[in-house]
Amino acid sequence: DTAVSQTPKYLVTQMGNDKSIKCEQNLGHDTMYWYKQDSKKFLKIMFSYNNKELIINETVPNRFSPKSPDKAHLNLHINSLELGDSAVYFCASSHGPRQPQHFGDGTRLSIL
Amino acid sequence: GESVGLHLPTLSVQEGDNSIINCAYSNSASDYFIWYKQESGKGPQFIIDIRSNMDKRQGQRVTVLLNKTVKHLSLQIAATQPGDSAVYFCAENLTGNQFYFGTGTSLTVIP
Repeated sequence: DTAVSQTPKYLVTQMGNDKSIKCEQNLGHDTMYWYKQDSKKFLKIMFSYNNKELIINETVPNRFSPKSPDKAHLNLHINSLELGDSAVYFCASSHGPRQPQHFGDGTRLSIL
Repeated sequence: GESVGLHLPTLSVQEGDNSIINCAYSNSASDYFIWYKQESGKGPQFIIDIRSNMDKRQGQRVTVLLNKTVKHLSLQIAATQPGDSAVYFCAENLTGNQFYFGTGTSLTVIP
């Protein structure tokens, strides 16, 4: 009964490719997020959605495009992958703003 | 054992001892704070939170202390166990969905 599930868990691909990461939550939460964690464990928010509406769009290259088809899903599409995109990407959800977040187990993206 | 700051320190404690993990947050207007635990290969897991109208909050074996005067947050873990070994993050919230995470502290519990 995974609350926040991301797929794939590992993603190894070449520079220049386009890839997607999927996220689903079964907690009935209204708010979902994408975070990037670098090799030094630093976690930085990328995007946040409330009820499918984009709320936060941090300084992220426009090669990254989130899509929320419904409240339970927030997918992340990345175009023209670069070496610096290598990181662990975490999806999270919460009941609403200013609430504790439930995180998925991450997608480890490696760019060759 | 005790750690300080945002420079990804490591903290080693003996099993059964108390641990103190510190966090210096950046924005004096932040008014909601969360501690997360991240085990290897997993996502961060909520431990405890505190709002700025409080200076102390207790959970099971954990206590969070907030000192707004010096923008300091600490997590105390009582009777530390091997299962407590993980990286611990504090996160601050100013408004809405925007959370800023500290760089984390790696806690190792020595059996």
